[in-house]
Amino acid sequence: DAGVTQSPTHLIKTRGQHVTLRCSPISGHKSVSWYQQVLGQGPQFIFQYYEKEERGRGNFPDRFSARQFPNYSSELNVNALLLGDSALYLCASGAGGRRDTQYFGPGTRLTVL
Amino acid sequence: GIQVEQSPPDLILQEGANSTLRCNFSDSVNNLQWFHQNPWGQLINLFYIPSGTKQNGRLSATTVATERYSLLYISSSQTTDSGVYFCAVVANNNDMRFGAGTRLTVKP
Repeated sequence: DAGVTQSPTHLIKTRGQHVTLRCSPISGHKSVSWYQQVLGQGPQFIFQYYEKEERGRGNFPDRFSARQFPNYSSELNVNALLLGDSALYLCASGAGGRRDTQYFGPGTRLTVL
Repeated sequence: GIQVEQSPPDLILQEGANSTLRCNFSDSVNNLQWFHQNPWGQLINLFYIPSGTKQNGRLSATTVATERYSLLYISSSQTTDSGVYFCAVVANNNDMRFGAGTRLTVKP
């Protein structure tokens, strides 16, 4: 079975542009979460979606948005990119409960110039 | 929100040595996982262990939920064990909170 997949693998953007990152969860999983990991730190929670509804939001500005589609895949959008948005963006999928194991994708490495 | 502290921040071992990584958390949790992050950034699941003890080969983990800590044991370490080890917890909200990680370097 395929694990969590993310695209693209790498991305280079310039300040002010917007970016869309994509994630496909493990088959059968209905929950997708997004995390931002800057160099030298642990991942920081951005959003969680379950059954197409936002179920949690971390401390990130409104420039960050996400959505989940009927097939449970998800997009993370970031507008008006800043240099500080350069990071590894990780997607995790789970069955949906707080007690469920979370499985992470390989990540998208975003560089903002 | 819940605080997660990992120690030590850095650990250097010779191949074959044993090690213990610690994770302290500030509130009761519904979920606790240990991950190994490889040099390419992939977070690899090691254990789902909100309480109790589990073993998988040379790795084992123990969580004492009442005392709010978890330990990851690595025995007979190998160079391929190098990387960053993260502890992550889920409390009563839905976000998974990560510690700052322990960077392990195993020298041949």
